[in-house]
Amino acid sequence: TAGITQAPTSQILAAGRSMTLRCTQDMRHNAMYWYRQDLGLGLRLIHYSNTAGTTGKGEVPDGYSVSRANTDDFPLTLASAVPSQTSVYFCASSDSSSSEAFFGQGTRLTVV
Amino acid sequence: GQNIDQPTEMTATEGAIVQINCTYQTSGFNGLFWYQQHAGEAPTFLSYNVLDGLEEKGRFSSFLSRSKGYSYLLLKELQMKDSASYLCASLDSNYQLIWGAGTKLIIKP
Repeated sequence: TAGITQAPTSQILAAGRSMTLRCTQDMRHNAMYWYRQDLGLGLRLIHYSNTAGTTGKGEVPDGYSVSRANTDDFPLTLASAVPSQTSVYFCASSDSSSSEAFFGQGTRLTVV
Repeated sequence: GQNIDQPTEMTATEGAIVQINCTYQTSGFNGLFWYQQHAGEAPTFLSYNVLDGLEEKGRFSSFLSRSKGYSYLLLKELQMKDSASYLCASLDSNYQLIWGAGTKLIIKP
């Protein structure tokens, strides 16, 4: 079973370049999330989507955008990367906000 | 502000019992989650508590006291594979998860 898949697994990106992190789930979950995880900090929510066609801003949305054209896909775009966006990015999905979240394997992004 | 506090690191011995505490202060409360995260891997779900009391699931149990803003994760019969970070997260009034920084649990033989 695939569950939730992220691509790429890791990436080195030059500052100022744009990039889209891909996330796909096959569990037909309504809610999807993008988090970043930095050493010594908890997971921080970047953007979320409670259902296809809707998105919302999380705790740290600046510099990132998302779209939710269908149930399965939730890409995260960095329009113009900066070194402070160096992090591990996790995509997650859940049936509802109060149910278990399933995480992708993560994307390790380094902006140089 | 919203805040989740848990110890940064704990050490325990294989076969023993360890309790990882978590205190939370969030705007509203709709439940408390515990996740396990092995180094370099994704978090995986362990437990969800929304009512006061203890919930047992095999070697792992989770406790919640809403009046005290307090939860703990109890791990029994520790195994080397339990070496991981344990993440506490509170679901706030907007149904957004507020995460603690995680407790790194080191198991020694």
